[in-house]
Amino acid sequence: ILNVEQSPQSLHVQEGDSTNFTCSFPSSNFYALHWYRWETAKSPEALFVMTLNGDEKKKGRISATLNTKEGYSYLYIKGSQPEDSATYLCAYNKGRNFNKFYFGSGTKLNVKP
Amino acid sequence: DGGITQSPKYLFRKEGQNVTLSCEQNLNHDAMYWYRQDPGQGLRLIYYSQIVNDFQKGDIAEGYSVSREKKESFPLTVTSAQKNPTAFYLCASSIGLGRGVDSNQPQHFGDGTRLSIL
Repeated sequence: ILNVEQSPQSLHVQEGDSTNFTCSFPSSNFYALHWYRWETAKSPEALFVMTLNGDEKKKGRISATLNTKEGYSYLYIKGSQPEDSATYLCAYNKGRNFNKFYFGSGTKLNVKP
Repeated sequence: DGGITQSPKYLFRKEGQNVTLSCEQNLNHDAMYWYRQDPGQGLRLIYYSQIVNDFQKGDIAEGYSVSREKKESFPLTVTSAQKNPTAFYLCASSIGLGRGVDSNQPQHFGDGTRLSIL
């Protein structure tokens, strides 16, 4: 079983703060890194798929970067809003013809108004 | 609307009973997956299926069984052999590898089923 670590486990910020969290994964046999957003009582929703070292993806106030050589990805949220409160999951995929994802345990973000 | 439907939302099982969790998708996806979530842990893969009539064990398959007789459906049976079945179960699907696409396609998830032991 591969080890995908996310930190911190939880985060409490004030509305308007910018924040970031980390996903660490094995740097060997890397193929793709996925970020998901999981709101309470809903299903996880795909945010980004990242495949190339140095990739940067952006969706509104949320962005992500990828470093495959050292095995980490950062997710940034600029000017957090209460509706950003959710658990953010990352998942690592190690091969083109390999349909298995390895998930981290998530970072739970709470944005206070 | 296309999506994944899991039922029931909550399920209770008596000791020694088998129970089956339903997962249906109308996304025309080839691949389907079952995950288990326990407090403080990431999603762990129980079984996955890349195509109809085929499935593979994931990392924690012991005490579970699946079938994939139809493309749309991937039910999971939690058998009495599963010693600690209380958990949250998520079903997912993705386009799959069978149409020339590679494995960087995202997975789409249902809302989950919470299973508890009485």
